[in-house]
Amino acid sequence: GAVVSQHPSWVICKSGTSVKIECRSLDFQATTMFWYRQFPKQSLMLMATSNEGSKATYEQGVEKDKFLINHASLTLSTLTVTSAHPEDSSFYICSASTGTTSYNEQFFGPGTRLTVL
Amino acid sequence: GQNIDQPTEMTATEGAIVQINCTYQTSGFNGLFWYQQHAGEAPTFLSYNVLDGLEEKGRFSSFLSRSKGYSYLLLKELQMKDSASYLCAVMDSNYQLIWGAGTKLIIKP
Repeated sequence: GAVVSQHPSWVICKSGTSVKIECRSLDFQATTMFWYRQFPKQSLMLMATSNEGSKATYEQGVEKDKFLINHASLTLSTLTVTSAHPEDSSFYICSASTGTTSYNEQFFGPGTRLTVL
Repeated sequence: GQNIDQPTEMTATEGAIVQINCTYQTSGFNGLFWYQQHAGEAPTFLSYNVLDGLEEKGRFSSFLSRSKGYSYLLLKELQMKDSASYLCAVMDSNYQLIWGAGTKLIIKP
């Protein structure tokens, strides 16, 4: 089956530092990758959609200068949380699919738990 | 606006049957997904319905009525490991997934 990995699985950082999270599709080429954020006891919130080789599309209310997304290859997307603050502490989950339109199942990574002190 | 409604929490007994309902109002419809999410983990895919009717997959079944904007996930022969959150998500006309808040299912012995 399709496997998506994330690294790191958890990270603790000081306020003001930047954190990079990697999302990799291990056995398939992901044309589209999605980044979600999930706060405790809440549903998944889509942050942005990224297609390989083009700029990410951010959801309303998500600061693109704070959450930098790079989708440089068909198997790797990165999310960088710049100048992280305690309110950015959350569970960040990526997913990957093989298409940009029509039904394509999203395969989820295991998530990255970010804690900003 | 777009809206997905499902109960916040449900409790059931091991070995029993439970039905988790989901109602939706979205701009367009390209299918409805059910995902299972254990605490601290990412969601895992359970089912996909795009046509009306019941899809059965082992102990889990999912039903869809597009005219009513309604779906349910049916879990049979409940096991303790089924304790998790169950997320309903609808793919809208732009092929974006709209997520419900999830239903926390608690299984008691």
